[in-house]
Amino acid sequence: AQKITQTQPGMFVQEKEAVTLDCTYDTSDQSYGLFWYKQPSSGEMIFLIYQGSYDEQNATEGRYSLNFQKARKSANLVISASQLGDSAMYFCAMRELNTGGFKTIFGAGTRLFVKA
Amino acid sequence: DAGVIQSPRHEVTEMGQEVTLRCKPISGHNSLFWYRQTMMRGLELLIYFNNNVPIDDSGMPEDRFSAKMPNASFSTLKIQPSEPRDSAVYFCASSLLGAVDREYYEQYFGPGTRLTVT
Repeated sequence: AQKITQTQPGMFVQEKEAVTLDCTYDTSDQSYGLFWYKQPSSGEMIFLIYQGSYDEQNATEGRYSLNFQKARKSANLVISASQLGDSAMYFCAMRELNTGGFKTIFGAGTRLFVKA
Repeated sequence: DAGVIQSPRHEVTEMGQEVTLRCKPISGHNSLFWYRQTMMRGLELLIYFNNNVPIDDSGMPEDRFSAKMPNASFSTLKIQPSEPRDSAVYFCASSLLGAVDREYYEQYFGPGTRLTVT
């Protein structure tokens, strides 16, 4: 079964607007961490934001915020005030603390296109 | 401060040849991960090391793949013999995993090695 599901293969957003990238996950572990990474066309993987399963507040990092809905098992990434440089592939990932060791599982990714 | 260093950045080789990919993790990090990225399968974890010891190699595709970490500052991923289906981008990542806060850690990725096997 898919552990991490990103249902949007591609998304378009107008510059300066906000965009939400969807991520749902599946785990029976009570302790886990959720991550988002950005991969621009140059190929490197850039860490954006982290959310712990026990964190009560949604994580925020600058223009990035993570909309964490534990009961729905969703961890959507919200990018506010999109910029042209935000055009990239975005990956949602999860690590299960009790059952997964140090293994991080990645979703298939969503390609974001920011239009001028 | 230097990030994760991988070499070579690009490798083109013929089927049947041995390929060695190299990785230097960030100094002070105690864990190292090898990933493979393809269009079909996405980003897959091949193997990871903690304190130079291989912890989980269940993602290694087959016996043609092997990985070593002889010391804290160097790791290799070897494919022998290589096949066209091994063509992919191979990433190395490192992290500092603490004994207390095991839940959170950030993996720092290298730039990747693009491998083409003809």
